[in-house]
Amino acid sequence: SQTIHQWPATLVQPVGSPLSLECTVEGTSNPNLYWYRQAAGRGLQLLFYSVGIGQISSEVPQNLSASRPQDRQFILSSKKLLLSDSGFYLCAWSVRGNQPQHFGDGTRLSIL
Amino acid sequence: GESVGLHLPTLSVQEGDNSIINCAYSNSASDYFIWYKQESGKGPQFIIDIRSNMDKRQGQRVTVLLNKTVKHLSLQIAATQPGDSAVYFCAENGYGNKLVFGAGTILRVKS
Repeated sequence: SQTIHQWPATLVQPVGSPLSLECTVEGTSNPNLYWYRQAAGRGLQLLFYSVGIGQISSEVPQNLSASRPQDRQFILSSKKLLLSDSGFYLCAWSVRGNQPQHFGDGTRLSIL
Repeated sequence: GESVGLHLPTLSVQEGDNSIINCAYSNSASDYFIWYKQESGKGPQFIIDIRSNMDKRQGQRVTVLLNKTVKHLSLQIAATQPGDSAVYFCAENGYGNKLVFGAGTILRVKS
């Protein structure tokens, strides 16, 4: 069966520090991969999605970037974190676009 | 239903009653819809989906109804249990590879 792993579960970072969140999927090949951010009491905002290695689509202009160095690995990065980058970050995968997306358990990021 | 601002709508039901959670979607071209359940501190969990060529789909204790005329989606949970307490999101896929999520509804089950 397929599984998705995100780490770390929680992270506290100072303003201006770099960020790297990692997501890996097991049990499937060539998945679509997604990064979302969820603010408290809100729905999910799509940040990036990828349909293949090295292919990244950005949905909103921001201080973050994403990379897909391997088929089942998706990384969310920032060179310098802002206070506004705080939130709950979720990674998801799907077989293709018109199929259910399956989510990891997220990373709660707090910026001080 | 959909929320405005930071205050999610809340549905409180008695254990054993049926729950109905509503969602209005925005894109008349959307052809695929999903309901998710999110418990505190966890990622959303897939519950059930429906495609636009259907108006009803049933799962275990859950039923999704789709009314394309008024762009309305509902999730019915039969015999609601305390473990059903969570935030429920609808999502529509009318945008290629992307899902657009509603703001969510809080379901509280009273024992």
